Amino acid sequence: DAGVIQSPRHEVTEMGQEVTLRCKPISGHDYLFWYRQTMMRGLELLIYFNNNVPIDDSGMPEDRFSAKMPNASFSTLKIQPSEPRDSAVYFCASSRTVTEAFFGQGTRLTVV
Amino acid sequence: GIQVEQSPPDLILQEGANSTLRCNFSDSVNNLQWFHQNPWGQLINLFYIPSGTKQNGRLSATTVATERYSLLYISSSQTTDSGVYFCAVLNAGNNRKLIWGLGTSLAVNP
Repeated sequence: DAGVIQSPRHEVTEMGQEVTLRCKPISGHDYLFWYRQTMMRGLELLIYFNNNVPIDDSGMPEDRFSAKMPNASFSTLKIQPSEPRDSAVYFCASSRTVTEAFFGQGTRLTVV
Repeated sequence: GIQVEQSPPDLILQEGANSTLRCNFSDSVNNLQWFHQNPWGQLINLFYIPSGTKQNGRLSATTVATERYSLLYISSSQTTDSGVYFCAVLNAGNNRKLIWGLGTSLAVNP
């Protein structure tokens, strides 16, 4: 199994631009999670999906953030417009119903 | 909500030393995981251990669910063990949000 695959690994963008982060979960996993990690706030859960349906998006910081999961093998996290304070490492993770979560390698986002 | 506390917050070891990291949680859990975040930022699953004991090479973990704690043992530490070790738990119930500790930052010196 290839594990959770995220792209891009690194993204540098200018303030105001749209940023799209992508995630392919492990096949057969029915939960998908988006996290953000910063030095100041640690790991924060942004949103999670179950069977492609968003279950809890209470961690999404504001309306500039949106996430979709059009099918079981693909999810996106979009920031529009991006701001410097969005700079962080964004992780995607997936799991089966009651077992452990596996993380992708993360996308390091820098907004200048 | 459930609280997760890890100790110690920081640890410096000489290569070859053993160590024990602790994770305390304030409520019943049905899922507990230990992760290692290496210096390159990658989060790696170490153990899924809601109860009992597991071993994987030089690492082992024990969770005593009734007493609400888990321990991660690192034996014969190596410089590649450096990084941050996180404990994360899921409350018993339907919510799938992992609750994370703040981590133990480990530095293993050669």
